[in-house]
Amino acid sequence: EVQLVEAGGGLIQPGESLRLSCAASGFNVSNYFMNWVRQAPGKGPEWVSVIYSSGTTYYADSVKGRFTISRDTSKNTLYLQMNNLRVEDTAFYYCARDGDSGYYEFDYWGQGTLVTVSS
Amino acid sequence: QSALTQPASMSGSPGQSITISCSGTDSDIGRYNLVSWYQQHPGKAPKIIIYEANKRPSGVSNRFSGSKSGNTASLTISGLQSEDEAVYFCCSYAGISIHVVFGGGTKLTVL
Repeated sequence: EVQLVEAGGGLIQPGESLRLSCAASGFNVSNYFMNWVRQAPGKGPEWVSVIYSSGTTYYADSVKGRFTISRDTSKNTLYLQMNNLRVEDTAFYYCARDGDSGYYEFDYWGQGTLVTVSS
Repeated sequence: QSALTQPASMSGSPGQSITISCSGTDSDIGRYNLVSWYQQHPGKAPKIIIYEANKRPSGVSNRFSGSKSGNTASLTISGLQSEDEAVYFCCSYAGISIHVVFGGGTKLTVL
């Protein structure tokens, strides 16, 4: 059974850093395009970042230069390093697996972890 | 403001059918047949219910159907049931620069 479990969220001050993790089971993260998607309370989702099976990474303009996506295949875990956090980064952060099409049709999502950036 | 436009809320009675629209542009929905729809119950992870505009993943009820015309995609839920009460949001591939865009979500209430 495919499962994704995020961790690492919390309350943090503007300018600080946080690392989220997403532990996967039931498949290998290195064989799929893996994404981070965030959703501010009461808002629609926003795509944040992707890491392809090749290791190529892409980011939304809103986080480029501040966030870094990575994976550890030995732990079958996806990560999101978030630096210089801003109030507008406050959201639930989900990891999501790209389905077979490879075009951002997310067939599995985690339960999400809440990041609150506030002074 | 989300890139794709959905009605914020809709309602229907058990047994009825409803259609949720998702309006995009020539750069996303209008260009690619890569629209997906998700159902999200409170406090739960989103669940994919439609991909490639009109395909249903294994295990998803055939009461859910998707379509696309021009820059607008639609999700139809037939024979509404109480468990269909949830937020539904659409998503479209938008090319190599933007990657993917989402709708703001539609809260469906089953009266």
